[in-house]
Amino acid sequence: GENVEQHPSTLSVQEGDSAVIKCTYSDSASNYFPWYKQELGKRPQLIIDIRSNVGEKKDQRIAVTLNKTAKHFSLHITETQPEDSAVYFCASADGLTFGKGTHLIIQP
Amino acid sequence: DGGITQSPKYLFRKEGQNVTLSCEQNLNHDAMYWYRQDPGQGLRLIYYSQIVNDFQKGDIAEGYSVSREKKESFPLTVTSAQKNPTAFYLCASSIAWDRGRKLFFGSGTQLSVL
Repeated sequence: GENVEQHPSTLSVQEGDSAVIKCTYSDSASNYFPWYKQELGKRPQLIIDIRSNVGEKKDQRIAVTLNKTAKHFSLHITETQPEDSAVYFCASADGLTFGKGTHLIIQP
Repeated sequence: DGGITQSPKYLFRKEGQNVTLSCEQNLNHDAMYWYRQDPGQGLRLIYYSQIVNDFQKGDIAEGYSVSREKKESFPLTVTSAQKNPTAFYLCASSIAWDRGRKLFFGSGTQLSVL
């Protein structure tokens, strides 16, 4: 199956600053790139995704960018707020493989 | 509650005992999945099913079994052969033949060993 690797494992930022999480994938034919957010004690939920025919997608303060040449996609969160504190996961297109997660900590 | 329901929320297993985790969805999704979540390990795939009466092993299927007799239901049995069953178990569903699978998760079952 496809491999996905996610970095960093922990990210601490000041409230109001930006955060970036990167995911590297192995299958050059992959065509779908999702990000999930899991708050403490809750289920993971899809927050943004992108198809391979576009390079960037934005939804308010979050965005996903795709670099097909380098085979990585990144989650960008701007103007971070306390409610952004969570674990974020990237996943393979078929849903069978997840990154190990990034614990995002927003410092007041 | 999001269309996919897991029960129970907490489950305790005695040594040598089999236990079954329930997962039901009313989203009319063809595909269903079971993941195990350990701290710092992300989500690891146990089993998945793309159609009724068919399922495939994931990366960590040993010590687990599943059935898919109905589209809506995908129960997971943790057998006595699973020596380290303590974990958070998540069930998910998706449209099977979409070229990108958006997963919808249940609220999870925390399994602990007595």
